[in-house]
Amino acid sequence: NAGVMQNPRHLVRRRGQEARLRCSPMKGHSHVYWYRQLPEEGLKFMVYLQKENIIDESGMPKERFSAEFPKEGPSILRIQQVVRGDSAAYFCASSLPGTGVKNYGYTFGSGTRLTVV
Amino acid sequence: GQQLNQSPQSMFIQEGEDVSMNCTSSSIFNTWLWYKQDPGEGPVLLIALYKAGELTSNGRLTAQFGITRKDSFLNISASIPSDVGIYFCAGQLAVGGTSYGKLTFGQGTILTVHP
Repeated sequence: NAGVMQNPRHLVRRRGQEARLRCSPMKGHSHVYWYRQLPEEGLKFMVYLQKENIIDESGMPKERFSAEFPKEGPSILRIQQVVRGDSAAYFCASSLPGTGVKNYGYTFGSGTRLTVV
Repeated sequence: GQQLNQSPQSMFIQEGEDVSMNCTSSSIFNTWLWYKQDPGEGPVLLIALYKAGELTSNGRLTAQFGITRKDSFLNISASIPSDVGIYFCAGQLAVGGTSYGKLTFGQGTILTVHP
């Protein structure tokens, strides 16, 4: 019973390149959430997606960042033209539909550590 | 937007001691959560609280949802070396009875336990 799978675990990009982070939710989970964690800080919400729909992107920077959760395949967080300030750990979580974190299995993956050089 | 203030920022304790940390918010949350994060890993849920005033235990951990819905605390009794890690509080709103996915996290408490 695999958990939330994120890959790659570590990603190094030069300034100006594109970063693509992938998240495969737990089996049966149809909701995906992306968070960013800067060093020595808590997680900051970025975006909440259901299959083929963006529900809440209030935490996503307006430029260079985009997210999708297609009907088939993993959710993708895409960062275009990366800058040094994008260096962070990016976490994905998934859940069943419904209210309550505990009752609907809101589970985090192990994250992707992005380093921009 | 909502902000959670978590304290203390760090704690250094001896094995066997009890630990207490808390979170306060400028906004009301309908759910309070406590997570633990180990180095290089994602947060793992420890305790979820759904009602104001609720007191819930999970082994040596006890957490309470404040009456005002703007605060919560976590206690760890008889600490052991594997309690080392970063502890985060988080709040969740529930809007219109449907799952509102956004969690707001505190800044974290770094716990170090000396054997």
